[in-house]
Amino acid sequence: KAGVTQTPRYLIKTRGQQVTLSCSPISGHRSVSWYQQTPGQGLQFLFEYFSETQRNKGNFPGRFSGRQFSNSRSEMNVSTLELGDSALYLCASGTSGGNEQYFGPGTRLTVT
Amino acid sequence: AQSVAQPEDQVNVAEGNPLTVKCTYSVSGNPYLFWYVQYPNRGLQFLLKYITGDNLVKGSYGFEAEFNKSQTSFHLKKPSALVSDSALYFCAVRDMNRDDKIIFGKGTRLHILP
Repeated sequence: KAGVTQTPRYLIKTRGQQVTLSCSPISGHRSVSWYQQTPGQGLQFLFEYFSETQRNKGNFPGRFSGRQFSNSRSEMNVSTLELGDSALYLCASGTSGGNEQYFGPGTRLTVT
Repeated sequence: AQSVAQPEDQVNVAEGNPLTVKCTYSVSGNPYLFWYVQYPNRGLQFLLKYITGDNLVKGSYGFEAEFNKSQTSFHLKKPSALVSDSALYFCAVRDMNRDDKIIFGKGTRLHILP
């Protein structure tokens, strides 16, 4: 099976812009989660989707949003970018909440 | 609220020696516990998990972890370290009684010295 894919792999944006990141889970996986990884904060949970429904949400401002499509592909959007949003954004898929997650390579976002 | 702690930012171990990476957790219900590893310039990879059953869980690359309910710990261990084990290790917990979100620890960098 193909692994989790994320596009784009790298992005450079300026403050105030918005960005959309995409994630394609492993075939058959219905759960998709998003994380923000930074050197200082480690892995911070953003949100989790299961069968197109947001099941859990982390403690991020409303500028961060996401959605999941009927084919389980997911997107996350960050509006009004801030310098502090620079991070590696990881997507992970799984069969259900109690099982392990499989991570994509991430999207490296740099905000200037 | 659930939480997970990895008390050591970095652990140094000589090659061939046993290694332990510590993890403690706090959940109100039953925990699902995971270990992941992140090698340089590579994505996070699943190592092992505890859901229920035997407290000693075996995983990939010769790693194992012991679930200790009384100490709320889930330490990662390996009997004999390899230089190739050098990486960033993350412990994660999920409170399945509440179908809650997965919380990751801040990570422990493991250095295996040749």
